[in-house]
Amino acid sequence: AQSVTQLDSQVPVFEEAPVELRCNYSSSVSVYLFWYVQYPNQGLQLLLKYLSGSTLVESINGFEAEFNKSQTSFHLRKPSVHISDTAEYFCAVSDPSTSGTYKYIFGTGTRLKVLA
Amino acid sequence: ETGVTQSPTHLIKTRGQQVTLRCSSQSGHNTVSWYQQALGQGPQFIFQYYREEENGRGNFPPRFSGLQFPNYSSELNVNALELDDSALYLCASSFYSGTGEAFFGQGTRLTVV
Repeated sequence: AQSVTQLDSQVPVFEEAPVELRCNYSSSVSVYLFWYVQYPNQGLQLLLKYLSGSTLVESINGFEAEFNKSQTSFHLRKPSVHISDTAEYFCAVSDPSTSGTYKYIFGTGTRLKVLA
Repeated sequence: ETGVTQSPTHLIKTRGQQVTLRCSSQSGHNTVSWYQQALGQGPQFIFQYYREEENGRGNFPPRFSGLQFPNYSSELNVNALELDDSALYLCASSFYSGTGEAFFGQGTRLTVV
């Protein structure tokens, strides 16, 4: 069975500092990988995704994540954070072999708090 | 292009009651999935609907049921509400033959007292 581990429940970081949010997954099959962001009292917004191809994927607002198959990881990084990045970040996996099924397995989330 | 919309945004129910939550999928999407997000947790998959039939279910009891309508909108029904059903319920829409990306609504916050 697939599972997702986000070891850090909270990550405080000062504004303009770099940050890495860790995500590890367990799966015996190939996976699709996602990072979603959730702002207070809102739903989930897709930040970036890995489906295939280049292992480094980027978002439009400066985040990037690298798929590492040997370490079964998909860590999220940003070289310089802003106050507006304060939110909850969720890593998720799905099984591409179950075509048409959007059953995501989510981690428990990492709360990023950017300090002034 | 309209996004995924859910109603109501907040709801308070009494234990033992029944509740219906509604979701309008994003234009062009034909698949709807529902998730339960308890406080401080990640979302958990409840079920998915495609062509008005359930085609995937998570580890939730039968008192959680759903419907999908010809216009691809969907309802989530929960019978015999329990206190532990208090959560944010998220609807996500997608295209069945798409690339695995689902688009989420803002959610319905259900409180059971």
